Amino acid sequence: AQSVTQLGSHVSVSEGALVLLRCNYSSSVPPYLFWYVQYPNQGLQLLLKYTTGATLVKGINGFEAEFKKSETSFHLTKPSAHMSDAAEYFCAVSGYNQGGKLIFGQGTELSVKP
Amino acid sequence: NAGVMQNPRHLVRRRGQEARLRCSPMKGHSHVYWYRQLPEEGLKFMVYLQKENIIDESGMPKERFSAEFPKEGPSILRIQQVVRGDSAAYFCASSPSGTNGNTIYFGEGSWLTVV
Repeated sequence: AQSVTQLGSHVSVSEGALVLLRCNYSSSVPPYLFWYVQYPNQGLQLLLKYTTGATLVKGINGFEAEFKKSETSFHLTKPSAHMSDAAEYFCAVSGYNQGGKLIFGQGTELSVKP
Repeated sequence: NAGVMQNPRHLVRRRGQEARLRCSPMKGHSHVYWYRQLPEEGLKFMVYLQKENIIDESGMPKERFSAEFPKEGPSILRIQQVVRGDSAAYFCASSPSGTNGNTIYFGEGSWLTVV
């Protein structure tokens, strides 16, 4: 069985500050990990994903995430927040032979203050 | 290249009516997934389909819900005898294959309101 826990349903940062969104997963098989962003009344857009190889993954819009197996974590970071980063962020996990079946976390709403 | 197309974007149904949500995958994609997002909650997997096949329906409610992806035409998520608790956003996603770690691409969603 797989599950995802996102710590903090709401995170607020100032423009220019570091963004850190936390994600921990549970998986009985090697995981594939994803971060998606959702703007209001829209679908989800992939930010980045980890499948195999390098554990530090770079995505779009300056975001990156690091897969830490020992900590079962896949936290999302961005060095400097922009106002346009305000959105809902979802961490998701899938496993071997599951195709596109993703298990999502509850989401973290990011607010960016001017 | 058009993305995943869902329609209708917004649908209002009275309790007891049927709701049909349609999803056309991205060109070249033969795998379709349906997810449901309830207010203030994350997305929950419902069903995974290939053309004419249901691969995984472990997230589908046992009654009133059904999904299909015919050889021709869009995938359809059908909800019979809707109740207020069915009010949610329903997202379709597609991928070119079922490869491990595959990226799936989401549509804009269909918002169902049951009154």
